[in-house]
Amino acid sequence: DIVMTQSPASLAVSLGERATINCKSSQTVLHGSNNKDYLAWYQQKAGQPPKLLIYGASTRESGVPDRFSGSGSGTDFTLTISSLQAEDVAVYYCQQYHSTPVYSFGQGTKLEIK
Amino acid sequence: QVTLRESGPALVKPTQTLTLTCTFSGFSLSTTGMYVTWVRQPPGKALEWLALIDSDDDKYYNTSLKTRLTIAKDTSKNQVVLTLTDMDPVDTATYYCARDEGYGYFDSWGQGARVTVSS
Repeated sequence: DIVMTQSPASLAVSLGERATINCKSSQTVLHGSNNKDYLAWYQQKAGQPPKLLIYGASTRESGVPDRFSGSGSGTDFTLTISSLQAEDVAVYYCQQYHSTPVYSFGQGTKLEIK
Repeated sequence: QVTLRESGPALVKPTQTLTLTCTFSGFSLSTTGMYVTWVRQPPGKALEWLALIDSDDDKYYNTSLKTRLTIAKDTSKNQVVLTLTDMDPVDTATYYCARDEGYGYFDSWGQGARVTVSS
C-alpha cells in the first residue's frame, strides 16, 4: 500500500502570509501512461466533511479560490495558500489515487492563525 | 445538484454489525464509470478509506478491513449500503460516503454519520 506522509502536523501562519503544506508518498503517484500525478488535496473545516480543493496535483476544483495552488510530482507535493484568510483555518489532507481502486490519505495538517 | 446523506445507528454494541446507508441524488450509479466510496474518521484523527462500489457492481475494500466489510448498491433506490461486522470501540468514528466520477478523487461528500461503539 502507498503511505502518504504530511508535514508539518500543524502550522500557524499570520493573516495575509503564505502557508505551505507538504505531502510525500512512499511510491510514485505519477501515472506513466498519461504523465499525470494522481494526487488530491482536501480541506476539512471543524464539524464539516472534507472538501475537494485540488486534483491531479495542481488542478483546482471549480470554485476554489486561486490563492490555493498545488505543485510537485512523483513522490513530493506541496499545497500553498498564497495569502492566508481567516476562513482557511482547517485541517488539510492529501490523498493518492494512483493505486486505484485502493486509496490512502495523509494524516492531515492543522492550519491555524498566528 | 449532487447530494449524499448517510444514515444508520448512532450507537452499536461491541461485536454487533454496523449497517450504514448512503442515499444520493444528482447522479446515477448506473452511469458507466461512476463510483460511491466510504471513508471514516475517528474523533480527532485522520481520514481512512474503507470501500467503494462502481457502476459495474465491482467492489473494492481497504485491505486491513476487508474481512469485515461489505458494500452493496441498490441502483433503483440510489442507495449504497456498507456493513462492518464485529464492531469494536476502535471503530468509533464519523462515517462518510462520497462520489467518485471514476477519476479516484472524491468531489462530493455527505455530512457524515457519527457512530459510537460502546456497551
